[in-house]
Amino acid sequence: NAGVTQTPKFQVLKTGQSMTLQCAQDMNHNSMYWYRQDPGMGLRLIYYSASEGTTDKGEVPNGYNVSRLNKREFSLRLESAAPSQTSVYFCPLTTGTEGCTNYEQYFGPGTRLTVT
Amino acid sequence: ELKVEQNPLFLSMQEGKNYTIYCNYSTTSDRLYWYRQDPGKSLESLFVLLSNGAVKQEGRLMASLDTKARLSTLHITAAVHDLSATYFCAVDEYSGGGADGLTFGKGTHLIIQP
Repeated sequence: NAGVTQTPKFQVLKTGQSMTLQCAQDMNHNSMYWYRQDPGMGLRLIYYSASEGTTDKGEVPNGYNVSRLNKREFSLRLESAAPSQTSVYFCPLTTGTEGCTNYEQYFGPGTRLTVT
Repeated sequence: ELKVEQNPLFLSMQEGKNYTIYCNYSTTSDRLYWYRQDPGKSLESLFVLLSNGAVKQEGRLMASLDTKARLSTLHITAAVHDLSATYFCAVDEYSGGGADGLTFGKGTHLIIQP
């Protein structure tokens, strides 16, 4: 998706390893999000950031940390990966104007993470 | 805490038939999304419903929103095999869009058989 870059696309970790998923946007939006999707489930919000320097917990924050050091980038860190964190992770592209009716979230291919 | 419930969760139907997927949510919101997901793929945005009484149609799919009943429906008319997929509704508590993210239903896995 033009406007957001999420890396890596695939990753395999061993239990206890750490890693950081990166998300960068060039839409100049204040809000950014991290979701996870497990098999047979809808997406669940892990963390979100309403503006640079602020972060808030979503529905399933345990086992994750996030960082929003600047407006462009929102990273998700797994300090000690567990098999329960095997999932597909999404940082959606947001389009339109925040606070307006044309605001939407679009989901790219995500990051497929397997923890063994 | 906002809860979003879809039903049915699984639906097998024949081509040519009509059916409706329901999405109930637990808090006031006038901003609801429908997505489609094919196996192994990401989510594709179908509809954005922004006000009470909103109705949108694309091909054989029609979505509506009743904010007073806290209910959205996705109606499938004369189903065809290509519509087989998982359909998700998602609710944004923040009516202006943005801020604190979307809450998704568990999805309706739809299989359309010839």
